[in-house]
Amino acid sequence: NAGVTQTPKFQVLKTGQSMTLQCAQDMNHNSMYWYRQDPGMGLRLIYYSASEGTTDKGEVPNGYNVSRLNKREFSLRLESAAPSQTSVYFCASSDELGEQFFGPGTRLTVL
Amino acid sequence: GQSLEQPSEVTAVEGAIVQINCTYQTSGFYGLSWYQQHDGGAPTFLSYNALDGLEETGRFSSFLSRSDSYGYLLLQELQMKDSASYFCAVRPALTGGFKTIFGAGTRLFVKA
Repeated sequence: NAGVTQTPKFQVLKTGQSMTLQCAQDMNHNSMYWYRQDPGMGLRLIYYSASEGTTDKGEVPNGYNVSRLNKREFSLRLESAAPSQTSVYFCASSDELGEQFFGPGTRLTVL
Repeated sequence: GQSLEQPSEVTAVEGAIVQINCTYQTSGFYGLSWYQQHDGGAPTFLSYNALDGLEETGRFSSFLSRSDSYGYLLLQELQMKDSASYFCAVRPALTGGFKTIFGAGTRLFVKA
């Protein structure tokens, strides 16, 4: 089992560019999440998907969109990247309200 | 609003015991969780308190008191590898439990 995988691991964008962060889990979890973590801070929820076919906004959704492609995959899209979106992005999954399993993260820099 | 507060840093000596506190301001949640994160790594789950009281998992214990809006993580027999950041987290019931809120984290330094 690979657990939760994320691609890419690192990305540098210019302001205004778009990109999609990919996340997949092989634990048959219903729920998936996208967080961002800024230096010295905790995790802030961007979007979540309680189950396949549903998505909802988290604490900091502005500037992002998500797609729950199927039970395994949950992608995060930045339509027009801004320097304020420079952060480390973590995808996570859980079985309902159980413990969350995190991917290795994507380190994004927006110039 | 909903928030969790933790000390920003704690320093302890190898072999000692350290307690990391978490106080919260949120009404109605599905338990208190703790996660560990090493520098450059991903958070990993440590423990979960659904009910008031103490939960023990090896060298780690976690405590919750809903009446005091307070919880803590206790690390015993500290090892150098325990140097990491520790986050408390809650799942507010008002939002169905999926909108997890994390504290800002406590950075633990273990000295030889």
